[in-house]
Amino acid sequence: EAQVTQNPRYLITVTGKKLTVTCSQNMNHEYMSWYRQDPGLGLRQIYYSMNVEVTDKGDVPEGYKVSRKEKRNFPLILESPSPNQTSLYFCASSLGGPLHFGNGTRLTVT
Amino acid sequence: AQKVTQAQTEISVVEKEDVTLDCVYETRDTTYYLFWYKQPPSGELVFLIRRNSFDEQNEISGRYSWNFQKSTSSFNFTITASQVVDSAVYFCALSERAYSGAGSYQLTFGKGTKLSVIP
Repeated sequence: EAQVTQNPRYLITVTGKKLTVTCSQNMNHEYMSWYRQDPGLGLRQIYYSMNVEVTDKGDVPEGYKVSRKEKRNFPLILESPSPNQTSLYFCASSLGGPLHFGNGTRLTVT
Repeated sequence: AQKVTQAQTEISVVEKEDVTLDCVYETRDTTYYLFWYKQPPSGELVFLIRRNSFDEQNEISGRYSWNFQKSTSSFNFTITASQVVDSAVYFCALSERAYSGAGSYQLTFGKGTKLSVIP
């Protein structure tokens, strides 16, 4: 089944403790992206990648890192999470058509 | 810069009523794509439709229909005979065919309209 898989679905952590949210797609898509969703703000793009080893900032990249060492994986790294990064995160991929989204990761930083 | 406005934050309708969700966009490009996504209470984002800027034909899919009007920069979504399962947050989004290859993938989302269908 074609899908974008994010893990974990839920994560509660403390300020400053490094974490990684994984994202994997099995559709051989070149484009991958991370969004965060906050009440009243809709979805905002954090980072995106056009292909392996090619990444670029979206609208709200501060406090996040990404890497694209393989085509299928696009992890989101929070080196030192802060409470304002509490949000619902979505990974997405595409091959020129519409974006396919993962099921989301709900992150709480206390 | 591109922008998508969904002026309706929340809408409530009684089951079987028709409802229209508004979407107004701004872009400087002549080539662009418009999308609608559905986010049910379970949280996932479900793709509903993509329309390119050269295709102003209205689209109908079952109880769903979309009205694209370039003259008013609008891409409205109508649900006919609404059902409780239609309760969700609906997002309109825009991607521009910018000069870089990334442009066609960069989605700008509206803030969403929460639709509640009351039995």
